[in-house]
Amino acid sequence: DGGITQSPKYLFRKEGQNVTLSCEQNLNHDAMYWYRQDPGQGLRLIYYSQIVNDFQKGDIAEGYSVSREKKESFPLTVTSAQKNPTAFYLCASSSPRGAGGGADTQYFGPGTRLTVL
Amino acid sequence: RKEVEQDPGPFNVPEGATVAFNCTYSNSASQSFFWYRQDCRKEPKLLMSVYSSGNEDGRFTAQLNRASQYISLLIRDSKLSDSATYLCVVKSPMTTDSWGKLQFGAGTQVVVTP
Repeated sequence: DGGITQSPKYLFRKEGQNVTLSCEQNLNHDAMYWYRQDPGQGLRLIYYSQIVNDFQKGDIAEGYSVSREKKESFPLTVTSAQKNPTAFYLCASSSPRGAGGGADTQYFGPGTRLTVL
Repeated sequence: RKEVEQDPGPFNVPEGATVAFNCTYSNSASQSFFWYRQDCRKEPKLLMSVYSSGNEDGRFTAQLNRASQYISLLIRDSKLSDSATYLCVVKSPMTTDSWGKLQFGAGTQVVVTP
C-alpha cells in the first residue's frame, strides 16, 4: 500500500540529546514537509523539501535539522538546541508540482510524539 | 492577527443534527482552501478541498466567501463518527521569495452525542 510512515510512534529524550525522527513515503511525491503540533495551536512548518538534495527552513527551524538524500526519505533531527521539543511531529508529502509549482494537497504520516524527560 | 482563525469549540451536536462552523483567513490573495479532519492523537486527513462555487461531498458541504474572507463547513445528519477536530487550511499566495505554503488553523472540535 502507498503511504507515509513515521517512526518511532513515541520517543522519549533526555535533555541535551539529539534525536532523529524518520519519515518515509512511497507515493512518489517530490515535496516533503515537517510540522510540529502543540496543544491548541495550528501546525507549524519546521522544514520542507521540494526536491532531492534541497530543503528550506520553515517558520520554526531553529534547533532542528533535516536531510533529503533520497526522494522517499526526509529525516528530522531534533537537536539539543531546541528549547522546547516536546510536541507531536508530523511529516507530510505532496503530489508532484503542477503548473505554477508550490504546495499541493498534503498527505500526512501518523506522527511521532516526542517527550523530553 | 493569526493568518487562519477558527472557533475552537467544542460544538456539541446531537446525532442526526446539522452543525456548521466557519474559518476566517487574513490574506485576501490566498489561493486554495481545504478542510482536514483530525481525530484525537492522530494525523490530519484531507476531508475536502473548497472550491469557489462551493462543493458537497455526501453529508459535508464547504463554501468559500472571498469577499468576507471565510470558508465554512456544514455537516448534515451528524454521525457519532463525525466527532473530531476539523482543521481549516489555506494556501498562501506564491511570491518571488516564498512558495505557496499551507497555513493551518488550530481546529474546531465537534462532539456528536447520542
